[in-house]
Amino acid sequence: DSGVTQTPKHLITATGQRVTLRCSPRSGDLSVYWYQQSLDQGLQFLIQYYNGEERAKGNILERFSAQQFPDLHSELNLSSLELGDSALYFCASSPGGSFLNTEAFFGQGTRLTVV
Amino acid sequence: AQSVSQHNHHVILSEAASLELGCNYSYGGTVNLFWYVQYPGQHLQLLLKYFSGDPLVKGIKGFEAEFIKSKFSFNLRKPSVQWSDTAEYFCAVITNRDDKIIFGKGTRLHILP
Repeated sequence: DSGVTQTPKHLITATGQRVTLRCSPRSGDLSVYWYQQSLDQGLQFLIQYYNGEERAKGNILERFSAQQFPDLHSELNLSSLELGDSALYFCASSPGGSFLNTEAFFGQGTRLTVV
Repeated sequence: AQSVSQHNHHVILSEAASLELGCNYSYGGTVNLFWYVQYPGQHLQLLLKYFSGDPLVKGIKGFEAEFIKSKFSFNLRKPSVQWSDTAEYFCAVITNRDDKIIFGKGTRLHILP
């Protein structure tokens, strides 16, 4: 158990819908990172939050947004869903604002299927 | 942009065979290097990491990796694989320039009993 909790584990929804994925970081970790894992693109960094503020942005679509709340949990919102958004979405956390010289811990992921 | 290349997309071995998975990265500055494993239906788990010091790194479950700076490589090895090593393996890098984990596309390892 990595200490990072993601809910739900599985999600099936229709095209055009909106979903929210939730991540609770390890106790004491201030940074949350979101990754998308798909068969064709591999693991892609989406976005990072540190202590409630957006820190870095990767290949995140405009239809996607995220936030980190005062209790440090984070939510990833995916809207106007398309079939191609079907993927495994991972959350990771680390103690500080940087991954460098530290270790990231990954949650079990949310498998999103868009039908 | 920094990138990570894993040469083998799919590897099939028999139990007790030796394993080497290739990983190359493209960045000339300071790097942290990682190998993660993902068992079917599970999350990413850290196998081993290199920050600095001894370039030969030992990880969990008998895995090791060698950082060769001149070759920009961080190959994963295990002398004798087991059926339970069947999983997907990801090489990853963090650079001091671009502070996020960049993953390779992964290698699916299938061990025949």
